[in-house]
Amino acid sequence: QKEVEQDPGPLSVPEGAIVSLNCTYSNSAFQYFMWYRQYSRKGPELLMYTYSSGNKEDGRFTAQVDKSSKYISLFIRDSQPSDSATYLCAMSEGGNQFYFGTGTSLTVIP
Amino acid sequence: DAGVTQSPTHLIKTRGQQVTLRCSPKSGHDTVSWYQQALGQGPQFIFQYYEEEERQRGNFPDRFSGHQFPNYSSELNVNALLLGDSALYLCASWGGSSYNEQFFGPGTRLTVL
Repeated sequence: QKEVEQDPGPLSVPEGAIVSLNCTYSNSAFQYFMWYRQYSRKGPELLMYTYSSGNKEDGRFTAQVDKSSKYISLFIRDSQPSDSATYLCAMSEGGNQFYFGTGTSLTVIP
Repeated sequence: DAGVTQSPTHLIKTRGQQVTLRCSPKSGHDTVSWYQQALGQGPQFIFQYYEEEERQRGNFPDRFSGHQFPNYSSELNVNALLLGDSALYLCASWGGSSYNEQFFGPGTRLTVL
């Protein structure tokens, strides 16, 4: 079993839709939870990071962490064609090693 | 500020050869991590360098080695290349203790034939 599981999609939504991206994990020691966006042929770009459980909002993006269920989510409101990318979740115990999901490919159709 | 830069952009090698990839961290950053991202997969942590020493290592064989220079730039070396080493190799630099200070470079695409 992988430490971080993420549905690879692909996910296709119309412009303006609310997008929900999710990851589950097995390691209860994970304390830091990150979401990255990766455009084709580019390196990952950090979107959000959260420490422990709870919600965090930044513009159209909301990250949720439920440690009791070992489940994290990223919501994108009013999705735009420019949001089309692969979204990666990542987690850490607090050290230097990040554990990534496989990524979910998202296409927002104009 | 140029951000994290990596060279070369693309590289083609044959099995058994050796390869060296290079990374220059973002200005002011002193810590460099290397990741391997196979096609359709998430990045896998190889190792991290700080103060010219390997600070932590992921589950990769000794064929993968690295180095950090006094100017904080770093190299990733892979010996005895296998077909399975074909991947995007990402470098990430870090300047502090907060995770929102970690930046990834564009990666080097390595193809092993």
